[in-house]
Amino acid sequence: GIQVEQSPPDLILQEGANSTLRCNFSDSVNNLQWFHQNPWGQLINLFYIPSGTKQNGRLSATTVATERYSLLYISSSQTTDSGVYFCAVILSTSGTYKYIFGTGTRLKVLA
Amino acid sequence: EAGVAQSPRYKIIEKRQSVAFWCNPISGHATLYWYQQILGQGPKLLIQFQNNGVVDDSQLPKDRFSAERLKGVDSTLKIQPAKLEDSAVYLCASSRQGYEQYFGPGTRLTVT
Repeated sequence: GIQVEQSPPDLILQEGANSTLRCNFSDSVNNLQWFHQNPWGQLINLFYIPSGTKQNGRLSATTVATERYSLLYISSSQTTDSGVYFCAVILSTSGTYKYIFGTGTRLKVLA
Repeated sequence: EAGVAQSPRYKIIEKRQSVAFWCNPISGHATLYWYQQILGQGPKLLIQFQNNGVVDDSQLPKDRFSAERLKGVDSTLKIQPAKLEDSAVYLCASSRQGYEQYFGPGTRLTVT
């Protein structure tokens, strides 16, 4: 089956720093979603991005479907950005859609 | 638009007891998912419903876990009997078919 790997697995930043998180997938996908899981465990939607670039405030995401990767950029990081970031790829199989989660990147932003 | 609702938020039970979780998806979302998330890991899909039919339950431990989605709206997930290794967060999510998923707050289960 498809493999979804994220890097780096862990990241520690000082507040105000920028970072890039990567999601690689081993096969073609229909779509891709980025989530932030906050320290209380809530999974929050960040981006739904099959290709191209989207921006939302300090966060932006780029998916290059032909090269099978997506990047999440966090600029001017804040302590509230801490948590785990997951990408999930969406596959269409036999008329249904499956979501395959990546391995996650654990981010800690220090004040 | 109301989000995905789950209850209870926390549950502590002894091993061999039974427990049930409830999920109410976003209105109009035909697809509903139950995930198990063990501390330090990503969510693992247990079961996926399309309306009130099961489309994927390949990772559901069917000897102890069961789930239903009556009338294609609310869903319940049951564990009977619970084991220590079932301690996890149980997440419910919903989506329009093939579109972005939205997650509920989860139920944190501790089995002692």
